[in-house]
Amino acid sequence: AQSVAQPEDQVNVAEGNPLTVKCTYSVSGNPYLFWYVQYPNRGLQFLLKYITGDNLVKGSYGFEAEFNKSQTSFHLKKPSALVSDSALYFCAVRPYGGATNKLIFGTGTLLAVQP
Amino acid sequence: DGGITQSPKYLFRKEGQNVTLSCEQNLNHDAMYWYRQDPGQGLRLIYYSQIVNDFQKGDIAEGYSVSREKKESFPLTVTSAQKNPTAFYLCASSIDRENQPQHFGDGTRLSIL
Repeated sequence: AQSVAQPEDQVNVAEGNPLTVKCTYSVSGNPYLFWYVQYPNRGLQFLLKYITGDNLVKGSYGFEAEFNKSQTSFHLKKPSALVSDSALYFCAVRPYGGATNKLIFGTGTLLAVQP
Repeated sequence: DGGITQSPKYLFRKEGQNVTLSCEQNLNHDAMYWYRQDPGQGLRLIYYSQIVNDFQKGDIAEGYSVSREKKESFPLTVTSAQKNPTAFYLCASSIDRENQPQHFGDGTRLSIL
């Protein structure tokens, strides 16, 4: 079955330190990969996507993600965390091919940045 | 500004009652989606539509119904057959191409009285 895993329910990091939010996937073929952020009682906001090409993808608000095909991972990173980065982060995958743009979402990782 | 509008933000349902959640978009997107979000479970797809007058069941369609009479609108009805409707409901839309991100509304929180 095709799936996305976010192994950490919560990640805690001090402001100014680098952060990583992990994501691994299991899909057939080459996937399209996405990261979204959700603030309380709001919808999801698109951060970045990997389609093809350079394995390091840069996105909004200083976030970036590294695609690793051999490890089937797409970890979200930021060099220096801000308190305002505290939110729920979702990884999503769209398997290559197929008739629709349906996404498979992970269960989310809560990022808590302490001042 | 282009975007997706969901209404109402909060909704309460009595036992045995059907309720309809509104979703409107002015992004000219062909595809629209409804998700249910429960704590610790991520987003689960209820229904999606790739074109007007056509829609498909997602992973958890039982107890829900939709219509797509206009490109801009994709309302979701939570019927009395849905026994556990308390959740946060999110509507999304996208250009119907595989590398395009979905854009989300701000959700409707449905609770049972």
